[in-house]
Amino acid sequence: EAAVTQSPRNKVTVTGGNVTLSCRQTNSHNYMYWYRQDTGHGLRLIHYSYGAGNLQIGDVPDGYKATRTTQEDFFLLLELASPSQTSLYFCASSEGWGGYEQYFGPGTRLTVL
Amino acid sequence: AQSVTQPDARVTVSEGASLQLRCKYSYSGTPYLFWYVQYPRQGLQLLLKYYSGDPVVQGVNGFEAEFIKSNSSFHLRKASVHWSDSAVYFCAVYCGGSNYKLTFGKGTLLTVTP
Repeated sequence: EAAVTQSPRNKVTVTGGNVTLSCRQTNSHNYMYWYRQDTGHGLRLIHYSYGAGNLQIGDVPDGYKATRTTQEDFFLLLELASPSQTSLYFCASSEGWGGYEQYFGPGTRLTVL
Repeated sequence: AQSVTQPDARVTVSEGASLQLRCKYSYSGTPYLFWYVQYPRQGLQLLLKYYSGDPVVQGVNGFEAEFIKSNSSFHLRKASVHWSDSAVYFCAVYCGGSNYKLTFGKGTLLTVTP
């Protein structure tokens, strides 16, 4: 079974719309991450968390909020979506920080019209 | 700040040929180094990882990488590629200390032709 799942897999919204991307991991990992993947940029870290209720800012946080409700669940919120947020979003988890392997979900493709 | 450069955005090789994907990083010490692979419509998966010890590290599916400190490089190699190796390959680095994050390169799209 997939240890990191994301939903939805695809989402289309309009400019100004409200979007929530969901991520669940069953690895019992403390660390979870949200990345966006864009051609020419690779993966860029949006937000991360090292436990329920914790939230840390990544490299490209503008326009995004995140919430970690449990050890398993990490959500990414776009409250006023813009076309620049059209991207492929990945969630990942890891046992520890930095030098540990990250386990990735299958991704959510978001299109903002 | 740590950074990773993958100079080749696209590489095409014939099935059965050898492969080298290049990765260079900027950091004066010895970082944690990773290669991840992304198959079509999937998330990233770890191929191999290096921190210390033998500078040639073996990974899954016949991949290996060599850490060359003097050249700040961590190139990925495979002796004979298969069509199923077609994917995007990412090099990543973690330098520790106050620089907390894992930094990814922009990726190299590998296409294996029959």
